[in-house]
Amino acid sequence: GAGVSQSPRYKVAKRGQDVALRCDPISGHVSLFWYQQALGQGPEFLTYFQNEAQLDKSGLPSDRFFAERPEGSVSTLKIQRTQQEDSAVYLCASSRDYSYNEQFFGPGTRLTVL
Amino acid sequence: DQQVKQNSPSLSVQEGRISILNCDYTNSMFDYFLWYKKYPAEGPTFLISISSIKDKNEDGRFTVFLNKSAKHLSLHIVPSQPGDSAVYFCAATANTGGFKTIFGAGTRLFVKA
Repeated sequence: GAGVSQSPRYKVAKRGQDVALRCDPISGHVSLFWYQQALGQGPEFLTYFQNEAQLDKSGLPSDRFFAERPEGSVSTLKIQRTQQEDSAVYLCASSRDYSYNEQFFGPGTRLTVL
Repeated sequence: DQQVKQNSPSLSVQEGRISILNCDYTNSMFDYFLWYKKYPAEGPTFLISISSIKDKNEDGRFTVFLNKSAKHLSLHIVPSQPGDSAVYFCAATANTGGFKTIFGAGTRLFVKA
């Protein structure tokens, strides 16, 4: 498809498990963002990639969160030793390049940690 | 500290009337503002934006107004349609300050037929 895709759409994890969330941005988009959206809140910035370079990871809440984009296209957000407070929707967005502020969002992955 | 605030969690409007969604910000470094629309189980979709050098931007039924002195922006939808019922997020970015986009908590708009 032409849009941003994310997988899985839903993930249930037991506390302490590791999870990996995948994002396929729009082909050719240079910029890629990860957000965390808690219930009833707006998306909260986690990290930003320009091609394969992670230029800003100031929003990652702890060192249990790790993101990568090794070839400048697909990105993976990994959460180690999940905690209940990690339960949220994780949104991925891409944009053409750093000079374009408009972002195209994927449908999100809803993570539930039991 | 919420840098972008949408103080109305919800708004109900009759079809055909005007919908006005408000947003306040605190960071004077923000120089670009966006509105996104979100339907259930979907990601946000870009609606309209405005640069800080302008005070108004219009696109069809949607107009965004920016009042920099008050650090306030609003989204006007005229006329409102039932298909406009969604959550609307205000967002802001400071291009000189990195790549973060800061979102408000959203306002849920109900347009009644």
